[in-house]
Amino acid sequence: GEDVEQSLFLSVREGDSSVINCTYTDSSSTYLYWYKQEPGAGLQLLTYIFSNMDMKQDQRLTVLLNKKDKHLSLRIADTQTGDSAIYFCAESIGGGFKTIFGAGTRLFVKA
Amino acid sequence: DTEVTQTPKHLVMGMTNKKSLKCEQHMGHRAMYWYKQKAKKPPELMFVYSYEKLSINESVPSRFSPECPNSSLLNLHLHALQPEDSALYLCASSQDAVGYEQYFGPGTRLTVT
Repeated sequence: GEDVEQSLFLSVREGDSSVINCTYTDSSSTYLYWYKQEPGAGLQLLTYIFSNMDMKQDQRLTVLLNKKDKHLSLRIADTQTGDSAIYFCAESIGGGFKTIFGAGTRLFVKA
Repeated sequence: DTEVTQTPKHLVMGMTNKKSLKCEQHMGHRAMYWYKQKAKKPPELMFVYSYEKLSINESVPSRFSPECPNSSLLNLHLHALQPEDSALYLCASSQDAVGYEQYFGPGTRLTVT
């Protein structure tokens, strides 16, 4: 069945790079997403990548996609305390009608 | 305007009450979604509306009743809820239901007593 897996916690020092990893199972996924959720708030779309791309860069964010291994990563350069949040990896399945979310990675940024 | 708004922000209701959650977007999106999110868990899809028609119902109990009066509005009617239904209810919209990124509202924090 469909499943998206992420590690649950990541702790980094301010100014370092953060790398959050995700694996997914549906090889027909056409879109893969990264969302950020701060406490008590909704989900904020950070970035997304089409399945025919290997990499996408957007300011401090770099997304890498290894379609063969069904592995997605999000790199945040120069991590700031404001980046502390839960990061969800998600894939669209079923022709795109459904989005399946991973359990979320809680990022702690130490000053 | 890339905003999805939800009202109310917080709702406390008894198990015999009837209440409604509201969601609105003015981005011209034709797909709208309801998700339920329990603490420290990912959002779980409940319903998808595409072009104002219900496309997906993820086997949600009938005490939750969605309604899409027009392409900008989405309601979730609540009746006879259980304490385990307490959660954050998130609304989202996307340009279309197929493969487009979803934009989320801030959610309604529901507590059932």
